[in-house]
Amino acid sequence: GAVVSQHPSWVICKSGTSVKIECRSLDFQATTMFWYRQFPKQSLMLMATSNEGSKATYEQGVEKDKFLINHASLTLSTLTVTSAHPEDSSFYICSARVREGQTDTQYFGPGTRLTVL
Amino acid sequence: AQSVTQLGSHVSVSEGALVLLRCNYSSSVPPYLFWYVQYPNQGLQLLLKYTTGATLVKGINGFEAEFKKSETSFHLTKPSAHMSDAAEYFCAVSDPPVYSGGGADGLTFGKGTHLIIQP
Repeated sequence: GAVVSQHPSWVICKSGTSVKIECRSLDFQATTMFWYRQFPKQSLMLMATSNEGSKATYEQGVEKDKFLINHASLTLSTLTVTSAHPEDSSFYICSARVREGQTDTQYFGPGTRLTVL
Repeated sequence: AQSVTQLGSHVSVSEGALVLLRCNYSSSVPPYLFWYVQYPNQGLQLLLKYTTGATLVKGINGFEAEFKKSETSFHLTKPSAHMSDAAEYFCAVSDPPVYSGGGADGLTFGKGTHLIIQP
């Protein structure tokens, strides 16, 4: 299957700082990537859809000025958590959409654990 | 709007026993359905998916799932559990491309089922 990587795998930062998380498709091009957030022992919640060359589409309730998404190339999307606060601490997971025949499948990265002190 | 319900936040089975994880969905259009597995502190790995065609879908690691439209279900099964199957399992749904303008939307996930394998 397709391989998606994330960097860093974990990050600890001070409150008020900004953190950038990278999501890369390693062996394919992805015009669309997705960013999810997962709280401990909970399911994944879609935050936004990242489209190469255009603005991201955010889900209701997600602050676009706080969670900046840039999809500058067909293999890279970045999520920047600006002015992070402890409540932003979470597991952030990206996925990339792959067309397989007539259908689409999402392949997920390994996730990035963000801890804001 | 779509929704996914996974019955049982925790399921415990003995090694070698049948695994059955339940998933029911609600969707206004015929959905695409997925099962993913997540090991601790890792991302999600696709187990199997249903899009069209045969309703019994076989996936990796001996898992399979059957799409039952009349029951709006997509339960995951494995005939014989192995210790390495212990993980979190997520059922997910998305709209097919024809309904979502050319590409699948972000997935809607169930709350997950933690599978425990007892020796």
